Amino acid sequence: EDQVTQSPEALRLQEGESSSLNCSYTVSGLRGLFWYRQDPGKGPEFLFTLYSAGEEKEKERLKATLTKKESFLHITAPKPEDSATYLCAVQPSGGYQKVTFGTGTKLQVIP
Amino acid sequence: DTAVSQTPKYLVTQMGNDKSIKCEQNLGHDTMYWYKQDSKKFLKIMFSYNNKELIINETVPNRFSPKSPDKAHLNLHINSLELGDSAVYFCASSSGQPPEGYTFGSGTRLTVV
Repeated sequence: EDQVTQSPEALRLQEGESSSLNCSYTVSGLRGLFWYRQDPGKGPEFLFTLYSAGEEKEKERLKATLTKKESFLHITAPKPEDSATYLCAVQPSGGYQKVTFGTGTKLQVIP
Repeated sequence: DTAVSQTPKYLVTQMGNDKSIKCEQNLGHDTMYWYKQDSKKFLKIMFSYNNKELIINETVPNRFSPKSPDKAHLNLHINSLELGDSAVYFCASSSGQPPEGYTFGSGTRLTVV
């Protein structure tokens, strides 16, 4: 069974204090690893897809990286509006495969 | 304008009742999904339809029945509601295989009392 473990569960940062969120995964052949952002009372919002080890993607203050066992979401100089829960998910290769989500890291950025 | 819209946003009902949640997407996507998010924020797939055909059917009680009248709509009907069904239900859609990512609706918070 595919597994996704995210750490830490919660992270509190001062505005401008860079940090990283971790997503460890076990999957039988990775088709794609996804990062989403979820604000309270809303559905997850797609951020990135990573397909192979060594791949990196950036969007504003966020940068996602991928190895064969884990992915990191680096947040550089965060702002209060970056506060949200960040979800990681994996999809195994082969046909229509279900996407398995982790339980997320709740990020709070304090002004 | 909303890409994936779900109705209702909130649903409070008594045990034993039957209820439906509707979902529509205007993105032209060919695959739609139902996810359940529990109180610990864990998102779990329930069903997936591709062009009206059921392609993922996770182990959920038979009381849950999805219906896709066309590729833009995916509804969820729940019979004989139980307390444990209380959760937030999200509809999502995607295109391509593998999907670049899902577009989620804003969720339906179901409370069974």
